[in-house]
Amino acid sequence: AQTVTQSQPEMSVQEAETVTLSCTYDTSESDYYLFWYKQPPSRQMILVIRQEAYKQQNATENRFSVNFQKAAKSFSLKISDSQLGDAAMYFCAYRNTGGFKTIFGAGTRLFVKA
Amino acid sequence: DAGVTQSPTHLIKTRGQQVTLRCSPISGHKSVSWYQQVLGQGPQFIFQYYEKEERGRGNFPDRFSARQFPNYSSELNVNALLLGDSALYLCASIQEGLPMEQYFGPGTRLTVT
Repeated sequence: AQTVTQSQPEMSVQEAETVTLSCTYDTSESDYYLFWYKQPPSRQMILVIRQEAYKQQNATENRFSVNFQKAAKSFSLKISDSQLGDAAMYFCAYRNTGGFKTIFGAGTRLFVKA
Repeated sequence: DAGVTQSPTHLIKTRGQQVTLRCSPISGHKSVSWYQQVLGQGPQFIFQYYEKEERGRGNFPDRFSARQFPNYSSELNVNALLLGDSALYLCASIQEGLPMEQYFGPGTRLTVT
């Protein structure tokens, strides 16, 4: 069975600084997707970034980028130039390609200090 | 374009009661998934429906059931409520075709007393 582990319950960053959130996963599959989702206090889960396992290039979306290490089964999220609006719960998630079930980690709460 | 809608926003039920939660997917989407998010945890997969058929089920007891209607809206039913069923229930509208992007609704907060 696949698992997703987020070892940082909380992280804090100063506005305009950079922060990295960690995630490790376990799977025996070779073809899958990894995701980072953001859940602000409004509760609505929003996709931040997606990585296809077969792509070696790390995904980037504006200020958000990932460091995908397939052999190490590691998938970290880097947020550059942090903004107050980045404060939220961040969830790392996994899904087999063509699968119907997404597996989420326990989440990391990110605080952004002005 | 309307996003994913869920109703009600929140509700309070008593142990032993039954509850029905509703979800309307994004127009054109034929598939929905349901997740349970207990406070302080990540969402856990309950069901996925596609074209009114159950495509997958998570590790939840038979007290949990769901269905999908011809207009692709969906209901999640939970019978014989337990205190542990208190959670945020999320519905995701799924865009078919890889990578099967999920668009989440705002959720229904269920409190069981």
